[in-house]
Amino acid sequence: NAGVTQTPKFQVLKTGQSMTLQCAQDMNHNSMYWYRQDPGMGLRLIYYSASEGTTDKGEVPNGYNVSRLNKREFSLRLESAAPSQTSVYFCASSAPGRFNEKLFFGSGTQLSVL
Amino acid sequence: DAKTTQPPSMDCAEGRAANLPCNHSTISGNEYVYWYRQIHSQGPQYIIHGLKNNETNEMASLIITEDRKSSTLILPHATLRDTAVYYCIVRAYSGGGADGLTFGKGTHLIIQP
Repeated sequence: NAGVTQTPKFQVLKTGQSMTLQCAQDMNHNSMYWYRQDPGMGLRLIYYSASEGTTDKGEVPNGYNVSRLNKREFSLRLESAAPSQTSVYFCASSAPGRFNEKLFFGSGTQLSVL
Repeated sequence: DAKTTQPPSMDCAEGRAANLPCNHSTISGNEYVYWYRQIHSQGPQYIIHGLKNNETNEMASLIITEDRKSSTLILPHATLRDTAVYYCIVRAYSGGGADGLTFGKGTHLIIQP
């Protein structure tokens, strides 16, 4: 039982390059989330998917797209990376119903955009 | 969601109880208090949550004042591995329509040997 798995763990991009961050959970959770964390700051929600087939914008969605591929997988895509997107990215998931606020996080992807 | 106020940092000696305060004076009747922690470079970890009664689990205890305007997270016997940023979050039950949690800057708890 791996929980929430993110790949890759580290990535360096050049400005303008694209990439997809992968996230998968094996807990049969309905809801999945993408957060970013910049140095000295709290986590900020980028996008979330309340259930399979739905996605919604969070606090900082600009420059990102997401795909809820199936119940297990939720990917985050940077179409044209910018230095302002240098950050640590965390994926999370939560169970349905009254446990929606109990989030399980992955170990993060450290992304540097040069 | 109600705003929370936490001290930016705290120290605690190893083996002692760590008491982390959180002020949430504008909390509404249907809002829960959640605590998470984030150990350096890892993803946040859920600790505990409560509505109005005190709660205890294997990780910590949560004491909520009778007027619910503040709460304290207690780590009964702090170890070096408890050094982390602790986040207090106030949030109404979303009724099944999950839309994530808002994390502030939290309290950086440093356990001293």
